[in-house]
Amino acid sequence: DTEVTQTPKHLVMGMTNKKSLKCEQHMGHRAMYWYKQKAKKPPELMFVYSYEKLSINESVPSRFSPECPNSSLLNLHLHALQPEDSALYLCASSQGTGSGNTIYFGEGSWLTVV
Amino acid sequence: GIQVEQSPPDLILQEGANSTLRCNFSDSVNNLQWFHQNPWGQLINLFYIPSGTKQNGRLSATTVATERYSLLYISSSQTTDSGVYFCAVLVVGAGNKLTFGGGTRVLVKP
Repeated sequence: DTEVTQTPKHLVMGMTNKKSLKCEQHMGHRAMYWYKQKAKKPPELMFVYSYEKLSINESVPSRFSPECPNSSLLNLHLHALQPEDSALYLCASSQGTGSGNTIYFGEGSWLTVV
Repeated sequence: GIQVEQSPPDLILQEGANSTLRCNFSDSVNNLQWFHQNPWGQLINLFYIPSGTKQNGRLSATTVATERYSLLYISSSQTTDSGVYFCAVLVVGAGNKLTFGGGTRVLVKP
């Protein structure tokens, strides 16, 4: 089972709203990731968690706040977003963070900020 | 940082045709993956192939690490092969940061 589950699939939020994206995996993976993908562009890394600790933050604005409650769950809290933050947000996981690990992606959450 | 370039950027195929997608990278890598992104946005793993050749059904991939390129072959293409194909590489020392190429957008016509 190589499944990463993301909810919700679609989210429309206002610029003053607070919402969260959720990601879950049950593969026993210890590394989890958030990527952002704009239309017709490749995914770009936002955050990496390794063993439930934040290991990489790619200079993401503080209006995006990641959280890893346990080894299976990864959240992305959203607050005071801008319309340009509208994108596909992809969660991924891998066994570890070494170079020999295959990274598996979820189906993504389509976010629209109005 | 490492540069990853994919070619061609766009490809239109007639169903049943064969094609080759290319991925060039600017530095030595320790991990290379090919993905297919379907129209709904999901990135599906095709191959983990830092070197050598692998085959999975109508798809196969070859990475020549010493020459810094990888090829993805699609044989007897089907309409379900449509979507965007990405290669992504990882360099030791850069954390587990997967760097994606720009993608090849494939349309298979019936």
